[in-house]
Amino acid sequence: DAGVIQSPRHEVTEMGQEVTLRCKPISGHNSLFWYRQTMMRGLELLIYFNNNVPIDDSGMPEDRFSAKMPNASFSTLKIQPSEPRDSAVYFCASSRTGANNQPQHFGDGTRLSIL
Amino acid sequence: SQKIEQNSEALNIQEGKTATLTCNYTNYSPAYLQWYRQDPGRGPVFLLLIRENEKEKRKERLKVTFDTTLKQSLFHITASQPADSATYLCAPNSFRLRIGGATNKLIFGTGTLLAVQP
Repeated sequence: DAGVIQSPRHEVTEMGQEVTLRCKPISGHNSLFWYRQTMMRGLELLIYFNNNVPIDDSGMPEDRFSAKMPNASFSTLKIQPSEPRDSAVYFCASSRTGANNQPQHFGDGTRLSIL
Repeated sequence: SQKIEQNSEALNIQEGKTATLTCNYTNYSPAYLQWYRQDPGRGPVFLLLIRENEKEKRKERLKVTFDTTLKQSLFHITASQPADSATYLCAPNSFRLRIGGATNKLIFGTGTLLAVQP
């Protein structure tokens, strides 16, 4: 079975550029999560969707970050303009439902470096 | 604010011994707690879930306890193997009612690195 697929795996870009991260959740999963992981802060939830609708975006750092889920099989996380402090590993995860008795399935992440 | 604490220092143990990892939480009462394993360069992988009304959960060599009085979960790996070396993350859930609807999400600890020496 295909797991959660993220692209690109690595992204290196200059400060000020727009960055778009992509995620394909597991088919049949209704919830999708975007996380950011750094050494200092660990794994932080940025936003999550249930049935393509954003439910909680309180973790989105600021207006430079935006996320969309136009359909059940695709989501994007966009940073515009990017800054060096955005450098981190960004993970996408999906689960069957939004209930917390469901395990989350993670992709292998996008390692983002902003120079 | 809600806070999750895991041992920040690496845990080094000898192969065959039992590894015990600790997760403490403060300022809230989760209904569930999940444990994940993360290998370098990979995403976290789900291992076990335990509910607040369960004292203990087992899966093969893994055992998780959940003490809501102490606000603590312990994660045990018995007969540890070098292949068990990884970072282990605990993630209690956080449920909040707010204007516009409820949110229900996992709050991850920073993880504990386990190194099993052959």
